[in-house]
Amino acid sequence: DGGITQSPKYLFRKEGQNVTLSCEQNLNHDAMYWYRQDPGQGLRLIYYSQIVNDFQKGDIAEGYSVSREKKESFPLTVTSAQKNPTAFYLCASSISETGSNSPLHFGNGTRLTVT
Amino acid sequence: KNEVEQSPQNLTAQEGEFITINCSYSVGISALHWLQQHPGGGIVSLFMLSSGKKKHGRLIATINIQEKHSSLHITASHPRDSAVYICAASTGTASKLTFGTGTRLQVTL
Repeated sequence: DGGITQSPKYLFRKEGQNVTLSCEQNLNHDAMYWYRQDPGQGLRLIYYSQIVNDFQKGDIAEGYSVSREKKESFPLTVTSAQKNPTAFYLCASSISETGSNSPLHFGNGTRLTVT
Repeated sequence: KNEVEQSPQNLTAQEGEFITINCSYSVGISALHWLQQHPGGGIVSLFMLSSGKKKHGRLIATINIQEKHSSLHITASHPRDSAVYICAASTGTASKLTFGTGTRLQVTL
């Protein structure tokens, strides 16, 4: 079955360390997204990619970086510059970003705790 | 910027009850999404609609464009429906989604 795989499910890091969250999809979707979820808040967009080798900043990109070297993969790096990195991170994909509205497919998320 | 509000924030129901979750938004949109977040955190897309009504099994989603309001109904609720239900309004493409804070539903026996 096609889907989105995020790993690991739980991640613990010390303050000051960079950490990379993995997101892989086998849905053949062009567009991929990274969201952050904090208690009591709606999902917020960190970065998105419409196509391989291209990505755009979302609403809260500061302290994060991404790459899109393969269609299937969209890893997110949380850098030491991110002031409040502890959160639940969700990866999603859709058939296209620029076409008509298409439903999002989500992974199961990675819970990052930085101490 | 679009503001999306959901009500209620928390909802407890007994098995078999009819449930309604509301979503209102502040600006014109191209589509409204309803999502279900399981206790483990994974999210499933339930509906995407731009007008009228959609039905899937015991779930019904409606939208009133003029009133900027959408509802998600669950008929004959069951404990496995317990989850957080999130609405998200799109003013264009997926990168233009504004998410509500979610409604936490608990269905008891």
